[in-house]
Amino acid sequence: KAGVTQTPRYLIKTRGQQVTLSCSPISGHRSVSWYQQTPGQGLQFLFEYFSETQRNKGNFPGRFSGRQFSNSRSEMNVSTLELGDSALYLCASSSFSGGGYTFGSGTRLTVV
Amino acid sequence: GIQVEQSPPDLILQEGANSTLRCNFSDSVNNLQWFHQNPWGQLINLFYIPSGTKQNGRLSATTVATERYSLLYISSSQTTDSGVYFCAVPRAQGGSEKLVFGKGTKLTVNP
Repeated sequence: KAGVTQTPRYLIKTRGQQVTLSCSPISGHRSVSWYQQTPGQGLQFLFEYFSETQRNKGNFPGRFSGRQFSNSRSEMNVSTLELGDSALYLCASSSFSGGGYTFGSGTRLTVV
Repeated sequence: GIQVEQSPPDLILQEGANSTLRCNFSDSVNNLQWFHQNPWGQLINLFYIPSGTKQNGRLSATTVATERYSLLYISSSQTTDSGVYFCAVPRAQGGSEKLVFGKGTKLTVNP
């Protein structure tokens, strides 16, 4: 079956702009979570969605938001981009029925 | 919160050598995953291993939950094994859970 699909793979944005990233989970998985990876902070949890509801949020400012649609696809949005938002953004899906998490290929965001 | 520590931070091997990567965690866990991050950034699931031993080809993993550690064994390493290896444990937060990652072991396999 198809894996987790993230688009786009690469993005370059200017400071102050906003960006939207997309994640399509494995078919049948209703949980989608997002992580930010930077060289300094490692992999950090952003938020988790299940059945269109945000159930869990990490310690990130309100500029980071997300949503989930009825087909379980999720988007995350970062507004008023800062240079420090440059990172690899990874999403993962899970069925919570054993097997753990499966990650997508990530979106590499560069803010200039 | 739980601390997840991986060692060594860096490892350089010649092709064909064996290696052991370690993951220590500071609290009890009910499962654990090992991932390999390839040069393009994707986290590839290697093992979902709450306890015991699992093997997949040249790779195997053992988790001893009572001792709070997990080991990843790589035998007859190949250049394609290069990358960063992460262990991660799920922690309950709010109404669900999140993964807490170690800082990773960067493996370089030279031909």
